[in-house]
Amino acid sequence: RKEVEQDPGPFNVPEGATVAFNCTYSNSASQSFFWYRQDCRKEPKLLMSVYSSGNEDGRFTAQLNRASQYISLLIRDSKLSDSATYLCVVNRGGRRALTFGSGTRLQVQP
Amino acid sequence: SAVISQKPSRDICQRGTSLTIQCQVDSQVTMMFWYRQQPGQSLTLIATANQGSEATYESGFVIDKFPISRPNLTFSTLTVSNMSPEDSSIYLCSVVWSGRARDEQFFGPGTRLTVL
Repeated sequence: RKEVEQDPGPFNVPEGATVAFNCTYSNSASQSFFWYRQDCRKEPKLLMSVYSSGNEDGRFTAQLNRASQYISLLIRDSKLSDSATYLCVVNRGGRRALTFGSGTRLQVQP
Repeated sequence: SAVISQKPSRDICQRGTSLTIQCQVDSQVTMMFWYRQQPGQSLTLIATANQGSEATYESGFVIDKFPISRPNLTFSTLTVSNMSPEDSSIYLCSVVWSGRARDEQFFGPGTRLTVL
């Protein structure tokens, strides 16, 4: 079993749609959680950290359920510019090394 | 946040040769890491670059193949030794900024390596 698993994708949605990505992690000792965005042929960029209480940044909402070891990302009012691969990322703690999910590709269509 | 740069941005190399990739940050950072992203896949951690001491390697990666240096808090190198086509990948450094909470990591632009 992979340490971080994500929805397989790709997700093809129209502009303005709401889309949700899910992610599960296997290591219950994981301490920090993130969503990164990676555009084609670019480096990953931090989209948002995920807090236990849930957090929102504009159109983006992240949720963490430690009991279920589940992380989600909700994007409201999708824009064409949201098209990218979204990576669920977990910090195992200790040396602060990140473990990446395989990513979910989002394509927002006009 | 400060700027992370990598050199070279891309290279095409012959099998059996070695390539050294540089990662330069314009301010001091607490942690630096090296990742690999093989075609169509997600990122895999190679090692943690420790300042002034030997790097800490992940399972499946060894110092003889991927020697790493980190002489100070703003610079690191990764060498891909005795390359084979399987080493064709994007290699990325990442950093944790001093004073940043939540262990957030930021990535350099990557080095795209093709081995023939």
